[in-house]
Amino acid sequence: DAGVIQSPRHEVTEMGQEVTLRCKPISGHDYLFWYRQTMMRGLELLIYFNNNVPIDDSGMPEDRFSAKMPNASFSTLKIQPSEPRDSAVYFCASRGIGTVNTIYFGEGSWLTVV
Amino acid sequence: AQTVTQSQPEMSVQEAETVTLSCTYDTSESDYYLFWYKQPPSRQMILVIRQEAYKQQNATENRFSVNFQKAAKSFSLKISDSQLGDAAMYFCAYWAGSYQLTFGKGTKLSVIP
Repeated sequence: DAGVIQSPRHEVTEMGQEVTLRCKPISGHDYLFWYRQTMMRGLELLIYFNNNVPIDDSGMPEDRFSAKMPNASFSTLKIQPSEPRDSAVYFCASRGIGTVNTIYFGEGSWLTVV
Repeated sequence: AQTVTQSQPEMSVQEAETVTLSCTYDTSESDYYLFWYKQPPSRQMILVIRQEAYKQQNATENRFSVNFQKAAKSFSLKISDSQLGDAAMYFCAYWAGSYQLTFGKGTKLSVIP
């Protein structure tokens, strides 16, 4: 069974550009999470979805960030316009009913904004 | 609010020896789950071990085991027969129902050959 799949693994972009991070959760999982990891703040939950519906987006830092989940197998996290302080590793994770409340993480998308 | 505290920013262990990483948490919930995640230099978050709060028996996964003290709200990870591949950041995490997974700040483990 494939794990959580994220793309791109690495992205370097210029300040002001739009960045789109993609995630495919584990098939059958009903929760999807977006986390951000930085040295200063550690791991932060940005937003999570349940059955494709956003439940809690209080962690989204500002209006430049948006996330969507158009169907059960795909989600995007978009940053527009990007800023250097957005440089971080962004993780997507998913959880399913049959996994004893365990969250599985993707390999992360390492974003550098210059 | 739930908090998770890892009081050891860095630890080191000799290869083949045993090391224990500490974690404490604060919660008013009675039903919850605790996890240890490993993050090697590749940055991938890898689940190491999981403990359900309602289970008194400590979880074990091969060389990894936990000491879960519910009353003390303590959840330490023991790594036996340490290997070079165990070198990584280790994060303790807490989950209760619909609440978010709350992470500690992490402990960086070095393994000395």
